[in-house]
Amino acid sequence: EAGVTQFPSHSVIEKGQTVTLRCDPISGHDNLYWYRRVMGKEIKFLLHFVKESKQDESGMPNNRFLAERTGGTYSTLKVQPAELEDSGVYFCASSLQGGYTEAFFGQGTRLTVV
Amino acid sequence: EDQVTQSPEALRLQEGESSSLNCSYTVSGLRGLFWYRQDPGKGPEFLFTLYSAGEEKEKERLKATLTKKESFLHITAPKPEDSATYLCAVGGSARQLTFGSGTQLTVLP
Repeated sequence: EAGVTQFPSHSVIEKGQTVTLRCDPISGHDNLYWYRRVMGKEIKFLLHFVKESKQDESGMPNNRFLAERTGGTYSTLKVQPAELEDSGVYFCASSLQGGYTEAFFGQGTRLTVV
Repeated sequence: EDQVTQSPEALRLQEGESSSLNCSYTVSGLRGLFWYRQDPGKGPEFLFTLYSAGEEKEKERLKATLTKKESFLHITAPKPEDSATYLCAVGGSARQLTFGSGTQLTVLP
């Protein structure tokens, strides 16, 4: 069974540019989460989808971040325009059930804004 | 606000030298405490979920325990392949995971 897959694994962009990260969850997992770790900090929650609906987006830092989940399958996280402080590792996770069941993480996308 | 503090930040052990990692937490309505293992360049890998004080779970050389204020990850007779960063996270009433900063474990052969 394929795990959670994230694309790209690395991205280097200039300040002011746009970047789109993609996450393919495990097939059949309705719950999809985005987290990120900025340098020297803990992994922080960004948002949670149940199917195509945003269940909780309280962790999104500002309106430069836009997450979508088309048809309840893969998800994208767009940063526009990117700022230096957006650099970090962005993780996606999925779970079969919501709440506090086991969540499977992808390998992450390392974003560097220069 | 939910908080998780892990100690020590780093731990070096000789192969076979047992030890424990600590995770202290404050949470509004604990729904679950999670332990993950993370290898360099990879995402967190799920190890255990504990739901109530007194609960214990084991997997190979790892044993996780939970009290009302903290959790311990006991590592018995570790091997070099156990080297990784171990992350603790709590799920509270906010229905999202709050992570600690992790303990970087190195097991020397």
